[in-house]
Amino acid sequence: NAGVTQTPKFRVLKTGQSMTLLCAQDMNHEYMYWYRQDPGMGLRLIHYSVGEGTTAKGEVPDGYNVSRLKKQNFLLGLESAAPSQTSVYFCASSYTGKAEAFFGQGTRLTVV
Amino acid sequence: AQRVTQPEKLLSVFKGAPVELKCNYSYSGSPELFWYVQYSRQRLQLLLRHISRESIKGFTADLNKGETSFHLKKPFAQEEDSAMYYCALMDSSYKLIFGSGTRLLVRP
Repeated sequence: NAGVTQTPKFRVLKTGQSMTLLCAQDMNHEYMYWYRQDPGMGLRLIHYSVGEGTTAKGEVPDGYNVSRLKKQNFLLGLESAAPSQTSVYFCASSYTGKAEAFFGQGTRLTVV
Repeated sequence: AQRVTQPEKLLSVFKGAPVELKCNYSYSGSPELFWYVQYSRQRLQLLLRHISRESIKGFTADLNKGETSFHLKKPFAQEEDSAMYYCALMDSSYKLIFGSGTRLLVRP
């Protein structure tokens, strides 16, 4: 049972490059979330989705875009990476808004 | 705006001592509140939520609406409780907002 899988696990980007992080869940969950985790700041919500075809902004959405074309996938895009986007990114999903959220293993992104 | 505050970055206690990890929130409605835990090299996982009013691994948390707090407590800490603990709030639009986390270190 895979649960929530993030791809890739590690990545180094140069400033200005673009990339997409993939989050895939096999639990038929409606809700999906993208967070970034920085030392001393906990997890900050970037974007989230309450169902296929929907997305909404979180606390720190600037510099990121997302898409939820398929229920099981939630993509996080960085159009022009900046060093300030160096972080560990976590994806999570839940069956309903009030249910337990299941997390991926994280993606460590470094922008140089 | 909704906010979750965990005032302690690090809490260090000896094995067998009581533990209280503080969490305060600001939200105008009736929030759903959770505690999540991240053990070393493991994924973040749910510890407990206020609506279930259960005790998990000896931990309990009581919602105090008057003080807008949801502190996590355990009467006797164990070494395996050492981890990063996050308090989280779910608002009416299903945003799941986390605090900055508290690292609990239980010394032998």
